[in-house]
Amino acid sequence: DTAVSQTPKYLVTQMGNDKSIKCEQNLGHDTMYWYKQDSKKFLKIMFSYNNKELIINETVPNRFSPKSPDKAHLNLHINSLELGDSAVYFCASSHRGGGPERFFGPGTRLTVL
Amino acid sequence: GEDVEQSLFLSVREGDSSVINCTYTDSSSTYLYWYKQEPGAGLQLLTYIFSNMDMKQDQRLTVLLNKKDKHLSLRIADTQTGDSAIYFCAGGLAAGNKLTFGGGTRVLVKP
Repeated sequence: DTAVSQTPKYLVTQMGNDKSIKCEQNLGHDTMYWYKQDSKKFLKIMFSYNNKELIINETVPNRFSPKSPDKAHLNLHINSLELGDSAVYFCASSHRGGGPERFFGPGTRLTVL
Repeated sequence: GEDVEQSLFLSVREGDSSVINCTYTDSSSTYLYWYKQEPGAGLQLLTYIFSNMDMKQDQRLTVLLNKKDKHLSLRIADTQTGDSAIYFCAGGLAAGNKLTFGGGTRVLVKP
């Protein structure tokens, strides 16, 4: 029954590795987002997709590549992980043509060693 | 772009009211939100207010919006220990646009 789900919840990996985080929403929303929360709890938008189309791409290293196979999924792939990538990554969704509610997933805590 | 600021910390006694303040810079923000984040958890949408409203009340929560001063506040009545969390305010334009978050206010409720 989870509205926005993410896997994995925790991810510990070595520098230089490539990893992916998956996000799925069952709310019927057409817009999905990735946010990064750093150690000081600041939340910053990274990407947004609407109906599988990229609509927001903030200043994020191109090592980060979002992929949206369908409007219910938005995955985040990270190449050549660096120490500074350690953070909590939140997926979110909303309905562009509907109400303003934005729902967030539980987060994925990424630790790069 | 939008800049949203909040005070870092608030300590309150159980049963008292809490007031969390937020200021924003972009007057074109259409919606303003309050989210709650408990330790180790995700963001829970508490409430939001449309920019043409001055106040919104939802049970123990009261949101006040002063558009002239670009000031948003969240009042929690009868604060409980379960209200201890980080509270984020956020602003956004249309429903599909990004949200810009404040840095969060850590609320500690003492028994």
